[in-house]
Amino acid sequence: AQRVTQPEKLLSVFKGAPVELKCNYSYSGSPELFWYVQYSRQRLQLLLRHISRESIKGFTADLNKGETSFHLKKPFAQEEDSAMYYCALGRYNNNDMRFGAGTRLTVKP
Amino acid sequence: GAGVSQSPRYKVAKRGQDVALRCDPISGHVSLFWYQQALGQGPEFLTYFQNEAQLDKSGLPSDRFFAERPEGSVSTLKIQRTQQEDSAVYLCASSLAYGAGSNQPQHFGDGTRLSIL
Repeated sequence: AQRVTQPEKLLSVFKGAPVELKCNYSYSGSPELFWYVQYSRQRLQLLLRHISRESIKGFTADLNKGETSFHLKKPFAQEEDSAMYYCALGRYNNNDMRFGAGTRLTVKP
Repeated sequence: GAGVSQSPRYKVAKRGQDVALRCDPISGHVSLFWYQQALGQGPEFLTYFQNEAQLDKSGLPSDRFFAERPEGSVSTLKIQRTQQEDSAVYLCASSLAYGAGSNQPQHFGDGTRLSIL
């Protein structure tokens, strides 16, 4: 079955430290992967998607098909990065987006 | 409007009552999705509309759940004879693209927090 796993429910780092939020997926076809973020009292919003290969707010994520991973990374975390992060899997010709359980990132001053 | 709008923001109902949740997607968005998010979990897919057609309802947990989008715009998710396990946040999302597998982002509403007493 297609599944997204985010092994860490909670992640806490100090400001300026590197951060990596892990995401693993199970899908035999070509995955379409996204990271969504939910800041306090805001709605869920797209952070980045693998096909764009972009850096948003200093975050990057590389699709590793061999390891079936799409980890989110930032070299220097900021306090405003504190939020809930969800990894999501879309599949061609499918209608349902699969979300991981989410990781709550706290960046301490 | 500026984004996806959902109402009400909060809904409290007694077990056994029927509830209706509304979603107003971004104008012109073809696709509309409903998700259920239980506490501490990620959103779980319920159903998908492409314009007015409900193409996928594989995620609806029981026949007490019913969704419609009669004119291809506003959608309503109805839950009949509510049970305590229906308590969750119900999220609506819309997208310009067809389906969820086209690398196009989904735009989410604030959700409706449903509590069944």
